[in-house]
Amino acid sequence: QVQLVQSGAEVKKPGASVKVSCKASGYIFTSYDFNWVRQATGQGLEWMGWMNPNSGNTGYAQQFQGRVTITTNTSISTAYMELSSLRSEDTAVYYCARDSMVRGVTHMDVWGQGTTVTVSS
Amino acid sequence: DIQMTQSPSSLSASVGDRVTITCRASQSISRYLNWYHQKSGKAPKLLIYAASSLQSGVPSRFSGSGSGTDFTLTISSLQPEDFAIYYCQQSYSTPYTFGQGTKLEIK
Repeated sequence: QVQLVQSGAEVKKPGASVKVSCKASGYIFTSYDFNWVRQATGQGLEWMGWMNPNSGNTGYAQQFQGRVTITTNTSISTAYMELSSLRSEDTAVYYCARDSMVRGVTHMDVWGQGTTVTVSS
Repeated sequence: DIQMTQSPSSLSASVGDRVTITCRASQSISRYLNWYHQKSGKAPKLLIYAASSLQSGVPSRFSGSGSGTDFTLTISSLQPEDFAIYYCQQSYSTPYTFGQGTKLEIK
């Protein structure tokens, strides 16, 4: 079946970087864009950015520009999100989500299980 | 950025009740509006896309309506498994934005 499986929890110190992976299976990897969304404890959902694995095109939310990089490795059907210069406010659960499009409307139809990133000195 | 505002922020209801959640966009987004729910400790799950299309496998008691700036999600008869946090999300333009969430609790 279609699924996204993310890498395990990470604990990082302030100023470090973290790279979260998201392995796709059950569908043609290059046919769908990826989104990354994060959620701090007890808070709502915050979109970080997207990538088209076929073209390599990306787009990032302004508040993450310069700190986030989304990449893919199509040979192993895996997407990555790297966040640098970590601070305590980046402590959150990070989700990858597949972007589907029907009648021109995109929507996140498959989600990874989430990866907890804790930033603490 | 397009701001999405949901109401109410929280809602208490009983099994079998009919429930409506509202989402308003800060500008017109046509029908580029999706609904998700999220249970504690789990990833969000897509319920409705393009304002009113039911995602495959989602029970028919969920329905969505609206266009432009005002949208609603209706659950016709609440079931125990429906108690969760509900989010709307616009996909009209990036950055994609979510509403702040509506927590649906058991009365």
